[in-house]
Amino acid sequence: DAKTTQPTSMDCAEGRAANLPCNHSTISGNEYVYWYRQIHSQGPQYIIHGLKNNETNEMASLIITEDRKSSTLILPHATLRDTAVYYCIVRPLGTSYDKVIFGPGTSLSVIP
Amino acid sequence: EAEVAQSPRYKITEKSQAVAFWCDPISGHATRYWYRQILGQGPELLVQFQDESVVDDSQLPKDRFSAERLKGVDSTLKIQPAELGDSAMYLCASSFLGTVNTEAFFGQGTRLTVV
Repeated sequence: DAKTTQPTSMDCAEGRAANLPCNHSTISGNEYVYWYRQIHSQGPQYIIHGLKNNETNEMASLIITEDRKSSTLILPHATLRDTAVYYCIVRPLGTSYDKVIFGPGTSLSVIP
Repeated sequence: EAEVAQSPRYKITEKSQAVAFWCDPISGHATRYWYRQILGQGPELLVQFQDESVVDDSQLPKDRFSAERLKGVDSTLKIQPAELGDSAMYLCASSFLGTVNTEAFFGQGTRLTVV
């Protein structure tokens, strides 16, 4: 079962920052937070992951709260190509329980 | 950049027929996954392999579905017989084992329609 909750859908104006929240209140100490996105009719694409520190790469930034019970994915300047379903996942890396389990995700619509 | 290859991209089959999907994961990835995605829902994990062993197949309908991962090569998912409710996207993914560079890479999927 997915261990995260996300809003069903969000809108964002093109060029503005898109902030996608995720709650993972039951996260364990060895579980990482991963984000993927899925553009229509394509396979999911990895975006970013982190354990407890904030992370940034060329695609996005990940902000994890100090208690690790929630996180926010930030797309700093959303474009129309960022319209997709975004999935937040928690994974116990390096254990036999490590699985990539998807919930329903957040459908992000970037509006011109 | 290395990619997970899947074929066919689209498949139409009649119910009660057998159908098979093929996946060529990224070289060196020890973990392989098969997912089923019904329209409007997130991908559902059907089976996960670690090397040649099945780690989890709890959601695989074993009366009709079978998955195989050949050593060092590709992976197949078979449905026999297909039912109307099997119409979905079937996704293959692979990743490294461990705690670094563990992001799962997905193929483009096979869209199955059972008529």
